[in-house]
Amino acid sequence: KQEVTQIPAALSVPEGENLVLNCSFTDSAIYNLQWFRQDPGKGLTSLLLIQSSQREQTSGRLNASLDKSSGRSTLYIAASQPGDSATYLCALSGAGSYQLTFGKGTKLSVIP
Amino acid sequence: EAQVTQNPRYLITVTGKKLTVTCSQNMNHEYMSWYRQDPGLGLRQIYYSMNVEVTDKGDVPEGYKVSRKEKRNFPLILESPSPNQTSLYFCASSLSWRGADTQYFGPGTRLTVL
Repeated sequence: KQEVTQIPAALSVPEGENLVLNCSFTDSAIYNLQWFRQDPGKGLTSLLLIQSSQREQTSGRLNASLDKSSGRSTLYIAASQPGDSATYLCALSGAGSYQLTFGKGTKLSVIP
Repeated sequence: EAQVTQNPRYLITVTGKKLTVTCSQNMNHEYMSWYRQDPGLGLRQIYYSMNVEVTDKGDVPEGYKVSRKEKRNFPLILESPSPNQTSLYFCASSLSWRGADTQYFGPGTRLTVL
């Protein structure tokens, strides 16, 4: 069964820093991988989706990469801002599955 | 505005009293699903639906029912709620289950079963 791990569980950085969030998975037969943002008490907002055939996706200050062979994805946030403070979750769908498997998230705090 | 809506947003109920949480999307999406989110356990899928009249179990379906009679609606039914179903519930939808389709989430329903 696919397992998705996000380390660290929490991260605190000063404003302006570039940072990397990590997501690892055990089964490389994936369909796609998505990164989500969750604000306290709110729903999830999709940030980036990487299809299995792609290596990376970019949106503004965010860049997500996918390395299926090593079972890893990273979310790079450039020039972090206090408004980036949230929990970031990665989720992936396995080939032949109709389900998303989520990591438990990394709670990011950007200190002004 | 494209969105997934859930009602109610907050609900406190007692053990055994049947309840329904509604989910509706206005994007003509084929795929819809329900998740529960619990501290330390993360998000787990309860049920999903590939299209009208097509539903299947996720990882934690026990104690829940769903139906998909219309494309836009996917209600979650708890016929006899128990305290271990106290959780934060999310409905989600996507255009289909193809690789490029982003999942859209509702705002969540916080359920407490006493």
